[in-house]
Amino acid sequence: GESVGLHLPTLSVQEGDNSIINCAYSNSASDYFIWYKQESGKGPQFIIDIRSNMDKRQGQRVTVLLNKTVKHLSLQIAATQPGDSAVYFCAENIEGGTSYGKLTFGQGTILTVHP
Amino acid sequence: SAVISQKPSRDICQRGTSLTIQCQVDSQVTMMFWYRQQPGQSLTLIATANQGSEATYESGFVIDKFPISRPNLTFSTLTVSNMSPEDSSIYLCSGVRGGTDTQYFGPGTRLTVL
Repeated sequence: GESVGLHLPTLSVQEGDNSIINCAYSNSASDYFIWYKQESGKGPQFIIDIRSNMDKRQGQRVTVLLNKTVKHLSLQIAATQPGDSAVYFCAENIEGGTSYGKLTFGQGTILTVHP
Repeated sequence: SAVISQKPSRDICQRGTSLTIQCQVDSQVTMMFWYRQQPGQSLTLIATANQGSEATYESGFVIDKFPISRPNLTFSTLTVSNMSPEDSSIYLCSGVRGGTDTQYFGPGTRLTVL
């Protein structure tokens, strides 16, 4: 759902379940998308990225899905572990021209994994 | 992944003072950026740190408040000037490795202004 200020969306799952974290991005011109994981007291850690010429990309235990029609991005985490507990951010970028590297971040989702 | 370090990791400052944050990246990084993360919120881009020239600031951020230097390819500083409690945030530097689009982040500097 929507979040304002300190009230980030939250997702609670049991260890071993699959997690799906969603993100609606804002700019239809964006052509590069990234998911980051941020643990408490640390900087964002790169998880996986995808370009707009793809609709799915898989990594180790993670899959990113991109739906450009509705400007939606999701991160699927398989067999979620307690170490996956963190805030997850999507980010978007327009790779060409002067916008290269200038990431626009989504609001973030707090993932809590219960043993 | 690129190695990015920041100093200090945290600081508590009095209003009206200034703090300079240092960021060191490994030699494979080409582009560097500075972001702000206000408490409980997402990241917002402050500026692109350009080597040997003035930084490129995003809307809402100005050089007088956030002067940035990047004297060489692997080092940049961000100064938060004339601080107020509203400047209390995490300040993060990031870098893009040459030949890739992957952007890596430093651990952040946690600033509290009293």
